Amino acid sequence: GAVVSQHPSRVICKSGTSVKIECRSLDFQATTMFWYRQFPKQSLMLMATSNEGSKATYEQGVEKDKFLINHASLTLSTLTVTSAHPEDSSFYICSAEPRSSGNTDTQYFGPGTRLTVL
Amino acid sequence: GESVGLHLPTLSVQEGDNSIINCAYSNSASDYFIWYKQESGKGPQFIIDIRSNMDKRQGQRVTVLLNKTVKHLSLQIAATQPGDSAVYFCADLPSGGYQKVTFGIGTKLQVIP
Repeated sequence: GAVVSQHPSRVICKSGTSVKIECRSLDFQATTMFWYRQFPKQSLMLMATSNEGSKATYEQGVEKDKFLINHASLTLSTLTVTSAHPEDSSFYICSAEPRSSGNTDTQYFGPGTRLTVL
Repeated sequence: GESVGLHLPTLSVQEGDNSIINCAYSNSASDYFIWYKQESGKGPQFIIDIRSNMDKRQGQRVTVLLNKTVKHLSLQIAATQPGDSAVYFCADLPSGGYQKVTFGIGTKLQVIP
């Protein structure tokens, strides 16, 4: 089946630093990737939609200068949390939609990245 | 600041019994529905999907029922096993091709051995 990886799986950083999270589709090409944020005991909240070769589309209330997204290739999207603060601590999950998903509309999720900002 | 966490609804089921997890959606334009399973510390895992032109779909040990009239979705797990313990999310996508998934709040399933 389709596999999506994220790196790192866990990161702890100091307040004010920037953190980059990678999302890769390992065995398929993904025109579109999605970035979600999940707080404990809550559902996934879509942050932005990342389209290969174009600017990301951010959801309302998500600061695009704070959460930089780059979708440089059909298998890689990156999320950079700039000048991270403790309130940015969360579980970040990406998903990818296969380029040729046919009629399935299925997205495949990465394992998530746990960010802790001290 | 500190985020205020919601308490996920919890369903406790004896091992071997059947589980029914319910979900309501609000978007009448939703055309495609998915159930995901999320184990602690991991990303969501696709379980089963159903399109709006169907009322029922069966997989291995799982069945999804869709009632479009009342915008209700349910996931039935037969012979629940300890490995089924997880948080289950329903998700819906609107028609039109744009794959923006909207997740429900989730239900935590606890299987009692």
